[in-house]
Amino acid sequence: QVTLKESGPALVKPTQTLTLTCTFSGFSLSTTGMRVSWIRQPPGKALEWLARIDWDDDKVYSPSLKPRLTISKDTSKNQVVLTMTNMDPVDTATYYCARTTIAAADDYWGQGTLVTVSS
Amino acid sequence: DIQMTQSPSSLSASVGDRVTITCQASQDINNYLNWYQQKPGKAPKLLIYDASNLETGVPSRFSGSRSGTDFTFTISSLQPEDIATYYCQQYDNLPLTFGGGTKVEIK
Repeated sequence: QVTLKESGPALVKPTQTLTLTCTFSGFSLSTTGMRVSWIRQPPGKALEWLARIDWDDDKVYSPSLKPRLTISKDTSKNQVVLTMTNMDPVDTATYYCARTTIAAADDYWGQGTLVTVSS
Repeated sequence: DIQMTQSPSSLSASVGDRVTITCQASQDINNYLNWYQQKPGKAPKLLIYDASNLETGVPSRFSGSRSGTDFTFTISSLQPEDIATYYCQQYDNLPLTFGGGTKVEIK
C-alpha cells in the first residue's frame, strides 16, 4: 500500500534553513505520472500548497515562496526533500507531503510534521 | 493567484441533513477542482477530484458539481463520522490554491 512519512526538525530558529524529508513506499517516482507535493498548514489555518516534483524531475513552486524553496528527489531511496531558507515564525506550520496524481489530486498524504520557528 | 472563496466557514446540521458547501473561483478553472476532508489532528483526505468524480472508496453520499466558476460539494445525508473541515483546491493554475475551509459540526 502507499504510505508517506515526513521527517525533520520540530524546532528551527529564525533565519535558519529547514530541511524536510518525505520517505514513501508503495510507488516509485521513476514511474511515469508520479508526483510528490508539499503542502503546509499553520495552526488553526487553511492549507497552503508549496511545491511539487514530477517523475521526470520537473519542479514547480509557489511563486511567492519560490526564492526560498528547493525540492529534490532521490529515486533510489524513495525520498523527496524540501528545503526552505530564511525561516520565520510565520512559517510555523504542519508540513505535509502527498502523492499527487497526474490530474493534480493529492490522493495519499503523510501524517504531517509540525515545525515551530522560534528563537 | 486564483482565489477560492469557500462558504460557509462553518455550519451546524443534524444527522441525516443535506449539507452543501460552495467554492467560487476568481476566474475560470474548468473542472480542475478537488475536495478534501480533514478530521482534527489528521491529514486531509481526497474525496472528489475533477469537480465531480468520487475517489475510490469514498461513500456515495458525497458528491460534487460545477456551474461556471461556482463549485458545490454536497453530503446528501450527514453522518456523525462526517464531522470535519472540508477544503476545495483548484489546480488550473499555479500556485495551486485552497479555499479557506468549512468546518462541519453536528447540531
